[in-house]
Amino acid sequence: QLQLQESGPGLVKPSETLSLTCTVSGDSVTSATFYWGWIRQPPGEGLEWIGSIYYSGNTYYNPSLKSRVTISVDTSKDQFSLKMTSVTAADTAVYYCARHRLGGSSRWFDPWGQGTLVTVSS
Amino acid sequence: QSALTQPRSVSGSPGQSVTISCTGTSSDIGGYNFVSWYQQHPGTAPKLMIYDVTKRPSGVPDRFSGSKSGNTASLTISGLQAEDEADYYCCSNAGSYTAWVFGGGTKLTVL
Repeated sequence: QLQLQESGPGLVKPSETLSLTCTVSGDSVTSATFYWGWIRQPPGEGLEWIGSIYYSGNTYYNPSLKSRVTISVDTSKDQFSLKMTSVTAADTAVYYCARHRLGGSSRWFDPWGQGTLVTVSS
Repeated sequence: QSALTQPRSVSGSPGQSVTISCTGTSSDIGGYNFVSWYQQHPGTAPKLMIYDVTKRPSGVPDRFSGSKSGNTASLTISGLQAEDEADYYCCSNAGSYTAWVFGGGTKLTVL
Protein backbone atom coordinates (compact mmCIF):
# COMPACT_ATOMS: atom_id res chain seq x y z
CA GLN A 1 0.00 0.00 0.00
CA LEU A 2 1.44 3.33 -1.06
CA GLN A 3 2.22 5.70 1.79
CA LEU A 4 3.81 9.13 1.92
CA GLN A 5 5.39 10.73 4.97
CA GLU A 6 6.53 14.33 5.33
CA SER A 7 9.47 15.25 7.55
CA GLY A 8 11.36 18.40 8.44
CA PRO A 9 11.61 21.25 10.97
CA GLY A 10 8.36 22.44 12.47
CA LEU A 11 9.69 25.93 13.15
CA VAL A 12 11.47 28.23 10.71
CA LYS A 13 12.60 31.79 11.29
CA PRO A 14 11.41 34.62 9.02
CA SER A 15 13.61 35.21 5.96
CA GLU A 16 15.13 31.73 6.27
CA THR A 17 14.60 28.64 4.09
CA LEU A 18 11.92 26.03 4.71
CA SER A 19 13.04 22.49 3.86
CA LEU A 20 10.82 19.42 3.84
CA THR A 21 11.22 15.85 2.58
CA CYS A 22 8.56 13.36 1.56
CA THR A 23 9.41 9.66 1.79
CA VAL A 24 7.48 7.28 -0.44
CA SER A 25 6.91 3.67 0.62
CA GLY A 26 4.98 0.89 -1.05
CA ASP A 27 5.87 2.15 -4.52
CA SER A 28 8.68 3.95 -6.31
CA VAL A 29 8.97 7.61 -7.25
CA THR A 30 10.02 6.31 -10.69
CA SER A 31 6.50 5.03 -11.44
CA ALA A 32 5.47 6.09 -14.93
CA THR A 33 2.67 8.68 -15.40
CA PHE A 34 2.96 9.85 -11.80
CA TYR A 35 4.39 13.12 -10.60
CA TRP A 36 4.90 13.90 -6.92
CA GLY A 37 3.47 17.08 -5.48
CA TRP A 38 3.46 19.49 -2.59
CA ILE A 39 0.29 21.22 -1.37
CA ARG A 40 -0.09 23.47 1.66
CA GLN A 41 -2.94 24.60 3.90
CA PRO A 42 -2.64 27.65 6.20
CA PRO A 43 -4.44 27.19 9.52
CA GLY A 44 -8.19 27.43 9.01
CA GLU A 45 -7.81 28.09 5.29
CA GLY A 46 -8.00 26.25 1.98
CA LEU A 47 -5.52 24.23 -0.05
CA GLU A 48 -2.83 25.68 -2.31
CA TRP A 49 -0.82 23.68 -4.85
CA ILE A 50 2.89 24.47 -4.58
CA GLY A 51 4.41 22.34 -7.32
CA SER A 52 5.03 18.85 -8.69
CA ILE A 53 8.02 16.85 -9.92
CA TYR A 54 8.59 13.81 -12.16
CA TYR A 55 11.35 11.33 -11.37
CA SER A 56 13.31 12.67 -14.35
CA GLY A 57 13.48 16.02 -12.56
CA ASN A 58 10.86 17.79 -14.69
CA THR A 59 8.99 20.24 -12.49
CA TYR A 60 5.89 22.42 -12.53
CA TYR A 61 5.42 25.25 -10.02
CA ASN A 62 2.61 27.51 -8.87
CA PRO A 63 3.41 30.78 -10.66
CA SER A 64 2.77 32.76 -7.46
CA LEU A 65 5.45 30.80 -5.58
CA LYS A 66 7.83 29.88 -8.38
CA SER A 67 10.48 32.47 -7.52
CA ARG A 68 10.94 31.04 -3.99
CA VAL A 69 10.36 27.31 -4.48
CA THR A 70 12.55 24.42 -5.58
CA ILE A 71 11.37 20.81 -5.69
CA SER A 72 13.89 18.01 -6.17
CA VAL A 73 13.80 14.22 -6.25
CA ASP A 74 16.15 11.49 -5.00
CA THR A 75 15.23 8.27 -6.77
CA SER A 76 17.78 6.22 -4.80
CA LYS A 77 15.90 6.98 -1.59
CA ASP A 78 12.36 7.24 -3.04
CA GLN A 79 12.16 10.76 -1.67
CA PHE A 80 11.32 14.18 -3.01
CA SER A 81 11.93 17.49 -1.32
CA LEU A 82 10.66 21.04 -1.06
CA LYS A 83 12.72 24.15 -0.43
CA MET A 84 11.09 27.54 0.01
CA THR A 85 13.26 30.59 0.51
CA SER A 86 12.65 33.92 2.25
CA VAL A 87 9.71 32.65 4.28
CA THR A 88 7.33 34.93 6.15
CA ALA A 89 4.48 34.33 8.58
CA ALA A 90 2.21 33.91 5.56
CA ASP A 91 4.02 30.65 4.79
CA THR A 92 2.86 29.12 8.08
CA ALA A 93 0.81 26.10 7.04
CA VAL A 94 0.37 22.37 7.09
CA TYR A 95 2.44 21.05 4.20
CA TYR A 96 1.25 17.90 2.44
CA CYS A 97 2.97 15.73 -0.11
CA ALA A 98 0.90 13.66 -2.53
CA ARG A 99 1.17 11.45 -5.57
CA HIS A 100 0.06 13.48 -8.58
CA ARG A 101 -1.38 11.66 -11.56
CA LEU A 102 -0.36 13.71 -14.59
CA GLY A 103 -0.18 11.14 -17.33
CA GLY A 104 -2.59 9.77 -19.84
CA SER A 105 -6.05 11.27 -19.70
CA SER A 106 -6.45 11.47 -15.94
CA ARG A 107 -5.44 13.97 -13.31
CA TRP A 108 -5.66 13.77 -9.53
CA PHE A 109 -3.79 13.90 -6.19
CA ASP A 110 -3.86 10.61 -4.24
CA PRO A 111 -2.83 9.47 -1.73
CA TRP A 112 -1.70 12.29 0.54
CA GLY A 113 0.75 12.23 3.39
CA GLN A 114 -0.53 13.04 6.87
CA GLY A 115 0.87 16.57 6.63
CA THR A 116 3.36 18.47 8.74
CA LEU A 117 2.81 21.85 10.36
CA VAL A 118 5.49 24.42 9.65
CA THR A 119 5.37 27.62 11.69
CA VAL A 120 7.33 30.68 10.62
CA SER A 121 8.23 32.67 13.70
CA SER A 122 11.24 34.22 15.36
CA GLN B 1 -4.44 32.00 -11.09
CA SER B 2 -7.27 32.65 -8.61
CA ALA B 3 -8.82 30.14 -6.28
CA LEU B 4 -12.00 28.49 -7.47
CA THR B 5 -15.19 29.74 -5.77
CA GLN B 6 -17.10 27.44 -3.44
CA PRO B 7 -19.88 28.23 -0.94
CA ARG B 8 -18.47 28.52 2.56
CA SER B 9 -21.00 26.07 3.96
CA VAL B 10 -23.87 23.77 3.07
CA SER B 11 -26.04 21.57 5.23
CA GLY B 12 -28.55 18.76 4.97
CA SER B 13 -30.35 16.18 7.04
CA PRO B 14 -29.51 12.48 7.03
CA GLY B 15 -30.89 10.79 3.93
CA GLN B 16 -31.16 14.03 1.97
CA SER B 17 -29.03 15.13 -0.97
CA VAL B 18 -26.75 18.15 -1.12
CA THR B 19 -24.83 19.72 -3.97
CA ILE B 20 -21.63 21.71 -3.61
CA SER B 21 -20.73 24.04 -6.45
CA CYS B 22 -17.29 25.08 -7.65
CA THR B 23 -17.10 28.02 -10.01
CA GLY B 24 -14.12 28.96 -12.11
CA THR B 25 -13.45 30.37 -15.54
CA SER B 26 -12.89 29.20 -19.09
CA SER B 27 -9.17 29.04 -18.22
CA ASP B 28 -9.64 26.37 -15.59
CA ILE B 29 -12.88 24.41 -15.04
CA GLY B 30 -14.39 25.42 -18.37
CA GLY B 31 -11.26 24.54 -20.33
CA TYR B 32 -10.46 21.05 -19.02
CA ASN B 33 -12.20 17.89 -17.85
CA PHE B 34 -9.81 17.44 -14.94
CA VAL B 35 -11.90 18.52 -11.95
CA SER B 36 -11.31 16.54 -8.77
CA TRP B 37 -12.94 16.69 -5.34
CA TYR B 38 -11.40 16.02 -1.94
CA GLN B 39 -12.96 15.29 1.46
CA GLN B 40 -11.15 16.43 4.57
CA HIS B 41 -12.16 15.58 8.10
CA PRO B 42 -10.73 17.78 10.89
CA GLY B 43 -7.07 17.12 11.55
CA THR B 44 -6.68 14.66 8.70
CA ALA B 45 -5.30 14.74 5.16
CA PRO B 46 -7.60 15.28 2.17
CA LYS B 47 -9.03 12.19 0.49
CA LEU B 48 -9.78 11.90 -3.22
CA MET B 49 -13.53 11.43 -3.81
CA ILE B 50 -14.07 12.31 -7.48
CA TYR B 51 -11.62 12.77 -10.36
CA ASP B 52 -11.82 13.75 -14.03
CA VAL B 53 -15.19 15.45 -13.27
CA THR B 54 -17.29 12.31 -12.88
CA LYS B 55 -15.09 9.31 -11.97
CA ARG B 56 -15.10 7.69 -8.56
CA PRO B 57 -12.02 5.96 -7.10
CA SER B 58 -12.39 2.43 -5.85
CA GLY B 59 -13.85 2.42 -2.35
CA VAL B 60 -15.73 5.70 -2.60
CA PRO B 61 -19.50 5.15 -2.15
CA ASP B 62 -21.65 5.70 -5.21
CA ARG B 63 -23.59 8.25 -3.15
CA PHE B 64 -20.89 10.67 -4.31
CA SER B 65 -21.15 11.95 -7.87
CA GLY B 66 -19.62 14.76 -9.90
CA SER B 67 -20.67 16.84 -12.88
CA LYS B 68 -19.73 19.95 -14.80
CA SER B 69 -21.55 22.57 -16.83
CA GLY B 70 -19.60 25.37 -18.43
CA ASN B 71 -17.33 26.97 -15.84
CA THR B 72 -19.01 25.34 -12.84
CA ALA B 73 -18.41 21.89 -11.41
CA SER B 74 -20.60 20.23 -8.82
CA LEU B 75 -20.31 17.51 -6.22
CA THR B 76 -23.55 15.82 -5.20
CA ILE B 77 -23.85 13.65 -2.12
CA SER B 78 -27.05 11.65 -1.91
CA GLY B 79 -28.38 9.74 1.08
CA LEU B 80 -26.41 11.95 3.48
CA GLN B 81 -24.78 10.17 6.39
CA ALA B 82 -23.25 11.56 9.57
CA GLU B 83 -19.76 10.57 8.45
CA ASP B 84 -20.09 12.80 5.37
CA GLU B 85 -19.74 15.85 7.60
CA ALA B 86 -16.40 17.32 6.51
CA ASP B 87 -14.77 20.00 4.39
CA TYR B 88 -14.84 19.50 0.64
CA TYR B 89 -12.42 21.02 -1.87
CA CYS B 90 -12.56 21.12 -5.65
CA CYS B 91 -9.45 21.26 -7.83
CA SER B 92 -8.85 21.95 -11.51
CA ASN B 93 -6.20 22.51 -14.13
CA ALA B 94 -5.62 26.26 -14.39
CA GLY B 95 -4.32 28.19 -17.33
CA SER B 96 -2.37 25.28 -18.76
CA TYR B 97 -1.95 21.58 -18.29
CA THR B 98 0.84 22.30 -15.85
CA ALA B 99 -0.84 24.45 -13.20
CA TRP B 100 -3.42 23.52 -10.59
CA VAL B 101 -5.85 25.49 -8.44
CA PHE B 102 -8.09 24.54 -5.53
CA GLY B 103 -11.36 25.97 -4.32
CA GLY B 104 -11.63 27.71 -0.97
CA GLY B 105 -13.46 24.76 0.56
CA THR B 106 -17.03 24.07 1.69
CA LYS B 107 -17.99 22.90 5.15
CA LEU B 108 -20.76 20.30 5.00
CA THR B 109 -22.85 19.98 8.11
CA VAL B 110 -25.16 17.00 8.55
CA LEU B 111 -28.00 18.24 10.73
